[in-house]
Amino acid sequence: GAGVSQSPSNKVTEKGKDVELRCDPISGHTALYWYRQSLGQGLEFLIYFQGNSAPDKSGLPSDRFSAERTGGSVSTLTIQRTQQEDSAVYLCASSSDVKEKLFFGSGTQLSVL
Amino acid sequence: EDQVTQSPEALRLQEGESSSLNCSYTVSGLRGLFWYRQDPGKGPEFLFTLYSAGEEKEKERLKATLTKKESFLHITAPKPEDSATYLCAVRSGTASKLTFGTGTRLQVTL
Repeated sequence: GAGVSQSPSNKVTEKGKDVELRCDPISGHTALYWYRQSLGQGLEFLIYFQGNSAPDKSGLPSDRFSAERTGGSVSTLTIQRTQQEDSAVYLCASSSDVKEKLFFGSGTQLSVL
Repeated sequence: EDQVTQSPEALRLQEGESSSLNCSYTVSGLRGLFWYRQDPGKGPEFLFTLYSAGEEKEKERLKATLTKKESFLHITAPKPEDSATYLCAVRSGTASKLTFGTGTRLQVTL
């Protein structure tokens, strides 16, 4: 597609439920990132995928968070047993190379009640 | 650990009133300093990348500069459509990720 696509754009869930967030990167981009942006906070790095290499999971805040990237393209971020502090905008970005600029999607606004 | 500090947190300008936003950074081996613009409800949009001290880049009313400790985003004769949050980020060493500051919220009024 023309840009990075994320779905859903908004997700409201109850505490304790699992959620899946989807990211479609720009076609041909080998690098894919997930960030989290809380109100008034900077972007917090979560996880990075580059081609077939092992992902950099160093930013995942707990073992409730996981992500996968299938076929080097679409990525899914899964949050298990959601907590209220998980409420934030989850942003996905892709780039053509690890040295290049990141192109961001519009994000998924997650609200945990 | 990489650190990025942006100031001021918020800035209100009148149309045509030029100013500068600051981004101070601490990294181990800078491999790029990035400026992004973010509008409400949208993801960050890329503006500039700077790689070495002394480098400058311009786009319309925006000009970014870089020293060994900080970067400035100069806004000349701003217009209301320049209102947005401006984010600074760095990539360092062998890291793949970008480390972001918390941004400067710019409001330009008529």
